[in-house]
Amino acid sequence: NAGVTQTPKFRVLKTGQSMTLLCAQDMNHEYMYWYRQDPGMGLRLIHYSVGEGTTAKGEVPDGYNVSRLKKQNFLLGLESAAPSQTSVYFCASSWTGDHEQYFGPGTRLTVT
Amino acid sequence: KNQVEQSPQSLIILEGKNCTLQCNYTVSPFSNLRWYKQDTGRGPVSLTIMTFSENTKSNGRYTATLDADTKQSSLHITASQLSDSASYICVVSRNSGNTPLVFGKGTRLSVIA
Repeated sequence: NAGVTQTPKFRVLKTGQSMTLLCAQDMNHEYMYWYRQDPGMGLRLIHYSVGEGTTAKGEVPDGYNVSRLKKQNFLLGLESAAPSQTSVYFCASSWTGDHEQYFGPGTRLTVT
Repeated sequence: KNQVEQSPQSLIILEGKNCTLQCNYTVSPFSNLRWYKQDTGRGPVSLTIMTFSENTKSNGRYTATLDADTKQSSLHITASQLSDSASYICVVSRNSGNTPLVFGKGTRLSVIA
């Protein structure tokens, strides 16, 4: 099992550009999450999904969109990147909201 | 306000020594408390999950305690190794609302030879 994988590992964008981050899990988990991690701050939830076809806003959803068309994939989109979105992005998955979350290796995004 | 506070922010210890990391929380409703280990440049990895009724839980050289009355938890690391150098993150689960997990900022542990 690969667990949770993220693509790409690194990316540099110019302000205003768009991109999509891909998260994939092979554990048949229902719940999937997107977090961002910034220096000196805890992980903050951007969006999450409790099953295929569902999405919900987390703590810091502005400027991001998500889609969960397939159970194993959770996509995070930035339509018009801003320097404030420079961060490390982590995807995670779990059986339910009460179960252990398994995290991916992260995507380091820089917006110039 | 739902918050998780960890102390100390950072800690340096000699290899082979023990250490204890602290976590205080003001999160409601409480579902469970988790400790994660995050190596530099990698995603967090779960160490323990404790529910309201559990006072202590071990995972190898890691032992977590929970006092739900005082809303405090600790993570004790025994006989530290160089590979224990990492950030340790305390997380409290509300299992409700748009912030189901409340993350602490972590304690950065450095184990030196």
